[in-house]
Amino acid sequence: DAGVIQSPRHEVTEMGQEVTLRCKPISGHDYLFWYRQTMMRGLELLIYFNNNVPIDDSGMPEDRFSAKMPNASFSTLKIQPSEPRDSAVYFCASSLRWTQYFGPGTRLLVL
Amino acid sequence: QKEVEQDPGPLSVPEGAIVSLNCTYSNSAFQYFMWYRQYSRKGPELLMYTYSSGNKEDGRFTAQVDKSSKYISLFIRDSQPSDSATYLCAMSRSGGSNYKLTFGKGTLLTVNP
Repeated sequence: DAGVIQSPRHEVTEMGQEVTLRCKPISGHDYLFWYRQTMMRGLELLIYFNNNVPIDDSGMPEDRFSAKMPNASFSTLKIQPSEPRDSAVYFCASSLRWTQYFGPGTRLLVL
Repeated sequence: QKEVEQDPGPLSVPEGAIVSLNCTYSNSAFQYFMWYRQYSRKGPELLMYTYSSGNKEDGRFTAQVDKSSKYISLFIRDSQPSDSATYLCAMSRSGGSNYKLTFGKGTLLTVNP
């Protein structure tokens, strides 16, 4: 298995632009998690899905952030409009049972 | 007070040293305790997990949980340069895959050859 796949790996955009991050979980996994990592705040859970249904989005910072999982093999995290304080590494992770497997992350820089 | 506190380091040790990494937490509802290792520019990977109090050993790694003190530790024996990474503790309130993990900020470890 190729593991969790995220795209793009790097994204540089200007304030106010829409950003879409993509994730392909490991085949057969029924949970999907979106995290954000910064030096100041560490690794924070934004939202997670079970069987494509959002279970807990209490970590989503504000309405500018939205996440979807239209099917078992694809999820998106969208930021609209983006702001400089959204600059971070965004990780997607998937799990079947115990272990969460993380993707390589998307490094987002908002200028 | 943050739910999980972890000294960010950095921690630099010579090859072969015993390394001790620690986290404290404030929420007594945490039942599952994990250590993740994150290499530079990579995603975290699960290293070890324990349930409730006690010790767990896996090769050169030992995880300890003291729920009475709300304190967890990871020991690395005979440390190697390949152990150089950021180590994050994580905790959850329930088991199975339907859990929310709360992470420490991570401790950056460098093992010098």
